[in-house]
Amino acid sequence: GQNIDQPTEMTATEGAIVQINCTYQTSGFNGLFWYQQHAGEAPTFLSYNVLDGLEEKGRFSSFLSRSKGYSYLLLKELQMKDSASYLCAVRSPYGQNFVFGPGTRLSVLP
Amino acid sequence: GAVVSQHPSWVICKSGTSVKIECRSLDFQATTMFWYRQFPKQSLMLMATSNEGSKATYEQGVEKDKFLINHASLTLSTLTVTSAHPEDSSFYICSATGTGVPGEQYFGPGTRLTVT
Repeated sequence: GQNIDQPTEMTATEGAIVQINCTYQTSGFNGLFWYQQHAGEAPTFLSYNVLDGLEEKGRFSSFLSRSKGYSYLLLKELQMKDSASYLCAVRSPYGQNFVFGPGTRLSVLP
Repeated sequence: GAVVSQHPSWVICKSGTSVKIECRSLDFQATTMFWYRQFPKQSLMLMATSNEGSKATYEQGVEKDKFLINHASLTLSTLTVTSAHPEDSSFYICSATGTGVPGEQYFGPGTRLTVT
């Protein structure tokens, strides 16, 4: 089966650091992706992990542990524009399709 | 690079009519495109995988006779919602796999469908 879990909502303060967790149990794994989605817009790519460890990309970092079925997205120096939904998605090894998690709505407060 | 467009961006139609949504890869060729549906405050649900020159692969629970997918060229896939009903009102998003990060999907801007 396919099961991906994320917290539904998170709140953080401008300038702070926030960590959004994602746990997954899927039949096969070929990479984990993080996307940002503002309301009414399409998702935009943030980060990608296929091997264990931390990938850093500016203010955004993503971590993966395949043995634990766990990933997190770390956002530093939060800005108001970071208020959005953050989706983690696991890529199937049997094709190119993704299974998306439920998404985490992040609100950044002044 | 790797831009995906959708048309229309929003559409309102009457119950019982059909609506066609186009998805184009503008600067790359997309052998495979994906169609998703997203209800308010929910995540993306994959409807079908569209392969150029062959029949689409539908996810379980998606009616292939209601949601017709055609992928006639390497840059165009279309989704036709036939005999639309109010419960089909949703945000429809297409994506295509590009040439950047392996497996990364580039998403179109989405089409908001409202069936009255």
